[in-house]
Amino acid sequence: EDKVVQSPLSLVVHEGDTVTLNCSYEVTNFRSLLWYKQEKKAPTFLFMLTSSGIEKKSGRLSSILDKKELSSILNITATQTGDSAIYLCAVEKGTGNQFYFGTGTSLTVIP
Amino acid sequence: EAGVTQFPSHSVIEKGQTVTLRCDPISGHDNLYWYRRVMGKEIKFLLHFVKESKQDESGMPNNRFLAERTGGTYSTLKVQPAELEDSGVYFCASSQVSGRETQYFGPGTRLLVL
Repeated sequence: EDKVVQSPLSLVVHEGDTVTLNCSYEVTNFRSLLWYKQEKKAPTFLFMLTSSGIEKKSGRLSSILDKKELSSILNITATQTGDSAIYLCAVEKGTGNQFYFGTGTSLTVIP
Repeated sequence: EAGVTQFPSHSVIEKGQTVTLRCDPISGHDNLYWYRRVMGKEIKFLLHFVKESKQDESGMPNNRFLAERTGGTYSTLKVQPAELEDSGVYFCASSQVSGRETQYFGPGTRLLVL
């Protein structure tokens, strides 16, 4: 059965801390892995990863995919209160183009 | 426990035709959301039901889109008549309470309008 698991389920940190969010998957015919940040309404796209070992960076956020371990991590350095959100991981299958979402990691950054 | 399910997984229709997408949320979840992924990777909010009531439909693009949730269980999203720009992946998600609680996403329905 295809599935995506995220950990931890929730996290509370202080401003300035660095956090690492995990996403592991068991999805046949993997196509890509996507990270989203959800605050209010729709999830906001962060990264799409298709190749193993290549880090993608956007400001204080970075992410990398490990196809051997069937996992990805999302790093946030020097966290700010505005980083508080639910971070979703989704895996897209190549066949059928179905998506499998994890249940998200709820991050709370306190001043 | 069954997750959020969506039907069909794919739909290919011609411009001008009608399509109805269905979402079955997790049992007991009062909140149901529809989203659309069109070009690129961004996901756009369409609307939010709380039970059978539309809590927020500010994301519905135009009156060709009609969402219903009779009885507060499953929901349908009808597009009539479909246009080329309606092509994309339509996601449904559900949650027990609204706000920052985790939403459980369905696998999506891929719609292609030719």
